[in-house]
Parts: sequence; structure tokens; C-alpha cells
Amino acid sequence: NAGVTQTPKFQVLKTGQSMTLQCAQDMNHNSMYWYRQDPGMGLRLIYYSASEGTTDKGEVPNGYNVSRLNKREFSLRLESAAPSQTSVYFCASSEAIGYRNQPQHFGDGTRLSIL
Amino acid sequence: AQTVTQSQPEMSVQEAETVTLSCTYDTSESDYYLFWYKQPPSRQMILVIRQEAYKQQNATENRFSVNFQKAAKSFSLKISDSQLGDAAMYFCAYRETSGSRLTFGEGTQLTVNP
Repeated sequence: NAGVTQTPKFQVLKTGQSMTLQCAQDMNHNSMYWYRQDPGMGLRLIYYSASEGTTDKGEVPNGYNVSRLNKREFSLRLESAAPSQTSVYFCASSEAIGYRNQPQHFGDGTRLSIL
Repeated sequence: AQTVTQSQPEMSVQEAETVTLSCTYDTSESDYYLFWYKQPPSRQMILVIRQEAYKQQNATENRFSVNFQKAAKSFSLKISDSQLGDAAMYFCAYRETSGSRLTFGEGTQLTVNP
């Protein structure tokens, strides 16, 4: 049971390059999320998808786009990478927004460096 | 907007002893959920314990327990009989009952000394 799988695990980009981070979950969860983690700031929500076919902005959406490809997959795209986007990115999933106290399950993260 | 504050950037504890990590939050909601996540050097985010605000009883999971003080908006994590494997970054997180966002604190880096 893989849970939440993120690819790649590491990536180095040059400023201005584009890239898509992939995320897939096998728990039949309805909701999926993208976070970034920066030192001293905890995790911050970039975008989320409450259910297949919907996406919404989180706390720090600028410079990113997302696609909920199907129920399993939720991708994050950087169209023109900037050094400020150097971070560790986490994908997460949960059964449904507001559904009891079900926690979010996280992938192992992608370390992204932009030079 | 909800905020979560962890005022202890670093904590240390001797193996087999007890340590308490602090977390406070700010919300105008009466019902919500609180979580503690552990992030070891492997970078995984692992759920440690969860608490529903409408429950007065403090949650317990083996060596981990919380002290939930709703009026004070405080949600501390107590780790008993600390083990070397408990060394990690610990994050407190808040979520509304009807919402989607997990709001995280800044984290507390816990060191366990042998």
C-alpha cells in the first residue's frame, strides 16, 4: 500500500524553467493538497482540490498552477521557476473536506532547488 | 484567519524522561480539529495524535498524550518515556470542521539525548 506517491524526490532547475510535480494516491481519497515547507515557517498550503474536477487557492498560490487529472492524481506546475520557489513540496490527501477528523496523509516530499 | 504558534523552536530531553511541547492557536470557531505531526529526518509527515475540540477528554496514543485547554486555546503534546526514535521536528496543526486547510505551526525540533 503506497499511500501518497510524489515524483520526483529531488530536482534542480534554472530560473525560468518550467516543471510539473506529480502526486498520486491509492487510498480512494476525495481531497488532495499541495504544501510547501520552508525553514522556520512550517507547511503552507499552495492549492487544494476538494474533489475531482475542482481546485482552489490556498495561502501561497502565486507562481503555481494545479491540475486534478482524476481522482488519484493531482499535479503542481511551476511555469517559470524563481529562486523564491526553492523549497520542499509535499502532496497530501484526505477522505473529504470536513469529514470527521480524518487527517491528511502526506507523501515523502520533493526537494526543489532553483538556481 | 487562524494562526498556530509553537514558541519553542528547539527542545531536548534525556532518553526515558518526559517532555512537553507547547502549541497555542487563535480561532473564533467553537468546533475544530487539532493534530500533532512528527517529521523525522526522512522528511515523512507522520500523524502522532489528534483531538476534536468538542471532546473534553484529552487524546492519548501510547506514550503520547495531549493537554487540550480550549479556553486558553492551548494544545500541548507530552511524550513520556522518550526514545531515541522520537527525535524529530514536531508540528502542531489546526483545521476547521468544515474546512480543508491545515494551518501549521512553525515546528519544534526535538532532540533525544542517550
